[in-house]
Amino acid sequence: DIQMTQSPPSLSASVGDRVTITCRASQSIASYLNWYQQKPGEAPRLLIYDAASLQSGVPSRFSGGGSGTDFTLTISSLQPEDFATYYCQQRYLIPLTFGPGTKVNIK
Amino acid sequence: QVQLVQSGAVVKKPGASVRVSCKASGYTFDTYGVTWVRQAPGQGLEWMGWISAFNGNTDYAHEFQGRVTMTTDTSTSTAYLELGSLRPDDTAVYYCARVLGALDYWGQGTLVTVSS
Repeated sequence: DIQMTQSPPSLSASVGDRVTITCRASQSIASYLNWYQQKPGEAPRLLIYDAASLQSGVPSRFSGGGSGTDFTLTISSLQPEDFATYYCQQRYLIPLTFGPGTKVNIK
Repeated sequence: QVQLVQSGAVVKKPGASVRVSCKASGYTFDTYGVTWVRQAPGQGLEWMGWISAFNGNTDYAHEFQGRVTMTTDTSTSTAYLELGSLRPDDTAVYYCARVLGALDYWGQGTLVTVSS
């Protein structure tokens, strides 16, 4: 199975900050990497698919990058509604696997 | 608009089975797959498997092999997850999600509690 790791596990940031979350795969997954946002008590929401494509309806302050084994999710200017947990997920091989999540807290 | 609506919360005893339903609307059901993901309390997301609504083909995660069954009913655009031999550590919120590459629409989740 492909193992996914994320860093940091959590971070504290202020509204307006630029935030970057890193995801690493245990082997190359080309660009088959998706990012999700989850708020407490809610289902996850797709933000970015195939490493860098913005899902319809997602604000442009979210962007994704990377390929192979190393990927990033960047929020260019953090907004109050962005405080949540973010998960990466690979779709290169079955079983699909998720990273452990990065919780973005209010500083 | 695309919607996935899941069945309600249930409580089961250890050793029992549970069936969760996921009714889809707003798109052509058999042109996508349905994935099931679960989340234990305070934990991350765990992929359980997926089913093609086109031909019923399935792939299950290793840890659920032998006690999970995923099915679809194209006449009602509904997907089903059945999990047997329940244990207390199966207590979780179970989500269905539409899949074609990414998991782009999710159900609201179904809390399954396993307790004696």
